[in-house]
Amino acid sequence: GAGVSQTPSNKVTEKGKYVELRCDPISGHTALYWYRQSLGQGPEFLIYFQGTGAADDSGLPNDRFFAVRPEGSVSTLKIQRTERGDSAVYLCASSLGPVESSTEAFFGQGTRLTVV
Amino acid sequence: QKEVEQDPGPLSVPEGAIVSLNCTYSNSAFQYFMWYRQYSRKGPELLMYTYSSGNKEDGRFTAQVDKSSKYISLFIRDSQPSDSATYLCAMSAAGAGSYQLTFGKGTKLSVIP
Repeated sequence: GAGVSQTPSNKVTEKGKYVELRCDPISGHTALYWYRQSLGQGPEFLIYFQGTGAADDSGLPNDRFFAVRPEGSVSTLKIQRTERGDSAVYLCASSLGPVESSTEAFFGQGTRLTVV
Repeated sequence: QKEVEQDPGPLSVPEGAIVSLNCTYSNSAFQYFMWYRQYSRKGPELLMYTYSSGNKEDGRFTAQVDKSSKYISLFIRDSQPSDSATYLCAMSAAGAGSYQLTFGKGTKLSVIP
């Protein structure tokens, strides 16, 4: 596709369950980012991939959150033992290159996660 | 105090008005300054970016950065109903940390026909 694609668009899960959120970046983009946007807030950085490796995961809130990008393209954000406080829109973005490319980051439409 | 402060509004203006949006920040390391537009239930879309201080114009949009005051602005001339959205400012440092964007809360703008 032409843009960053995220699936599912919406996910409702019960507290304590495990969820996976998928991101398909723009073809050829080596850098991939995950952000979390809570209601009424701006997006907050979670993790940055350069190729297959997580170059910076300092924004992940705790060890229940994990993300992978095994082939340097599609990425999956995984959340274990979900809590109601995890409810937010999870945004994925991609860009052509690494350092100093953040100005060229293109965002997907997000996955709206609701934990009940 | 958050690194980036932005008045969440809401801001309501009549069609054709000039809109002024702004953010303040505290981190002197920020060198890249961006404005994103976010429609309801959509991802942020980059409108403009500026490196360091100065002005940048693109059509009806003008971005200004004043690093001495740690203050950035976005002006929208001849505002249209299609400009109704949430506007997010975002910033990043230069060099190794530049990939990480720090966003403001966003200002919700409504342009009334």
